[in-house]
Amino acid sequence: QQQVKQSPQSLIVQKGGIPIINCAYENTAFDYFPWYQQFPGKGPALLIAIRPDVSEKKEGRFTISFNKSAKQFSLHIMDSQPGDSATYFCAAKSAGGTSYGKLTFGQGTILTVHP
Amino acid sequence: GAGVSQSPSNKVTEKGKDVELRCDPISGHTALYWYRQSLGQGLEFLIYFQGNSAPDKSGLPSDRFSAERTGGSVSTLTIQRTQQEDSAVYLCASSFRTGGRDEQFFGPGTRLTVL
Repeated sequence: QQQVKQSPQSLIVQKGGIPIINCAYENTAFDYFPWYQQFPGKGPALLIAIRPDVSEKKEGRFTISFNKSAKQFSLHIMDSQPGDSATYFCAAKSAGGTSYGKLTFGQGTILTVHP
Repeated sequence: GAGVSQSPSNKVTEKGKDVELRCDPISGHTALYWYRQSLGQGLEFLIYFQGNSAPDKSGLPSDRFSAERTGGSVSTLTIQRTQQEDSAVYLCASSFRTGGRDEQFFGPGTRLTVL
């Protein structure tokens, strides 16, 4: 059972554009939602994370929007740069139950930002 | 000191052979995780260790997979009688604790190819 669904699979934007990546989850026990950025040959690195008691979080050019009732969250990258070209993963984690401790990841989005 | 390290970085083996993958977590981190990343897929949880507690093995795909963590530090993931479908990148991560929103820091991964 896929508990976190991510879309799109790939995304191409021009420099300065605002790519948006969407995720939807099923498990209402999830209470922590991080986004990871992965460059080729590297492990994923935490980019930004949000808790379900807030609807938006910004860190630099990266913003997470969270809709608890719809069980959806999204990543927006403002003023995107070629250096943002990477694979992005959303994830979710719960404080208890069967999903305690471990991250459940979306399928990933390959982002390409053209100069 | 440094981040999570994994060895080898690449491993090519023949079908039916056993392989061992090693992970050195960040010093002081009590939680250690193994994930698998197949081509075009997200990260799939395999197993995690938290301190001296029994590991959560719920993600191991078959009894050919096992892992141990010695002395609360280094971990080894063993795959017996490897199959071609085991080909993937195996990622290790560590965090200060398992619960809460403690960030999981990932290593660069071991790319396993089963011929």
